[in-house]
Amino acid sequence: EAQVTQNPRYLITVTGKKLTVTCSQNMNHEYMSWYRQDPGLGLRQIYYSMNVEVTDKGDVPEGYKVSRKEKRNFPLILESPSPNQTSLYFCASKKTGGPSNQPQHFGDGTRLSIL
Amino acid sequence: KQEVTQIPAALSVPEGENLVLNCSFTDSAIYNLQWFRQDPGKGLTSLLLIQSSQREQTSGRLNASLDKSSGRSTLYIAASQPGDSATYLCAVSRTSGTYKYIFGTGTRLKVLA
Repeated sequence: EAQVTQNPRYLITVTGKKLTVTCSQNMNHEYMSWYRQDPGLGLRQIYYSMNVEVTDKGDVPEGYKVSRKEKRNFPLILESPSPNQTSLYFCASKKTGGPSNQPQHFGDGTRLSIL
Repeated sequence: KQEVTQIPAALSVPEGENLVLNCSFTDSAIYNLQWFRQDPGKGLTSLLLIQSSQREQTSGRLNASLDKSSGRSTLYIAASQPGDSATYLCAVSRTSGTYKYIFGTGTRLKVLA
């Protein structure tokens, strides 16, 4: 089954403790992206990647890092999490070649609480 | 700076009604516009994607239109059903090649049986 898988689905942690949220897709998509969703603010793009070893900032990259060493994986790293990073996080992927009308596929989300 | 607005924020309708959800954007230089559905506790499911050169797209009971010059898109849902209850989000992508997306805050739809 074609899917985007995020882990963990839920995480409660404390300020300053480094954490990684993993994202994996099995559709051989070139493009992957991370979003955070907050009440009243909608989804905001954190980072995206056009392909292996190619990453770029979205609208809210501060406090986050990403890497794209393999095509299927795009982990989100919080080196020193702070309470304002408490949010619902989504990973998405998309095929960039072929017909231009390719939609994004989303994971089920990771609810992150930082105390 | 591109801003995407969806009004209303919430909507309740009786089953069977035809309804229209609105999405407006401030910068007409978009590459495409996409409508999504989000169920509680779930990710987003893509419903329709309209390229900037297109006027509308249809899928089953759903029809999405795009008027770039006025910065508007509408999602029309025909003969609504309780299973259509969800939050509907629109997103615009910026000019070709960047794949940067701006989302609206969504319309929470409840269809009453």
